[in-house]
Amino acid sequence: KNEVEQSPQNLTAQEGEFITINCSYSVGISALHWLQQHPGGGIVSLFMLSSGKKKHGRLIATINIQEKHSSLHITASHPRDSAVYICAVPSSGGGADGLTFGKGTHLIIQP
Amino acid sequence: NAGVTQTPKFRVLKTGQSMTLLCAQDMNHEYMYWYRQDPGMGLRLIHYSVGEGTTAKGEVPDGYNVSRLKKQNFLLGLESAAPSQTSVYFCASSRGSAKNIQYFGAGTRLSVL
Repeated sequence: KNEVEQSPQNLTAQEGEFITINCSYSVGISALHWLQQHPGGGIVSLFMLSSGKKKHGRLIATINIQEKHSSLHITASHPRDSAVYICAVPSSGGGADGLTFGKGTHLIIQP
Repeated sequence: NAGVTQTPKFRVLKTGQSMTLLCAQDMNHEYMYWYRQDPGMGLRLIHYSVGEGTTAKGEVPDGYNVSRLKKQNFLLGLESAAPSQTSVYFCASSRGSAKNIQYFGAGTRLSVL
């Protein structure tokens, strides 16, 4: 079973700062997911990536398959980015049995 | 297009009572999942289904049963609720395996007293 570690667990930053959240996993994967959970509880998928880098607005996700590591970056952070960011990978190689999730990074952006 | 709908949103049970959580998706997805989320822990998979009429156990299946009689619905049952089942429950669906994006419901907050 894949194990997922995220860091930091908590992060407080000022508006405008560049944010980096890290994710490491133990078993080789076919794809890695980044999700966002808002204070209201809803969970949405931000990225799914299997190699390289993806960008959506101010969010950038990168993955290094060889090092089993991914990062989520937020440029020009804003208070509305305050949320829990969760990394997830397939529980097993085939991915049929769902995802294993990290414990999440609780991000607070202060104005 | 509603996506993934969970009912109810909140529920309080007494120990030993039973209940069923309903998950409905309108995206014609094959895969459906039930997760629980507890403080300080990541989401954990309870049961999942890879298609109509199929179910399988996840990481924490004890005390729960599921059914997928129709492709669009995935039911999670608690036959005899215990305080340890107090949690927030999320349903998700995806077009295929975990290499596909999962779409989540809004969650059900369950308290067992």
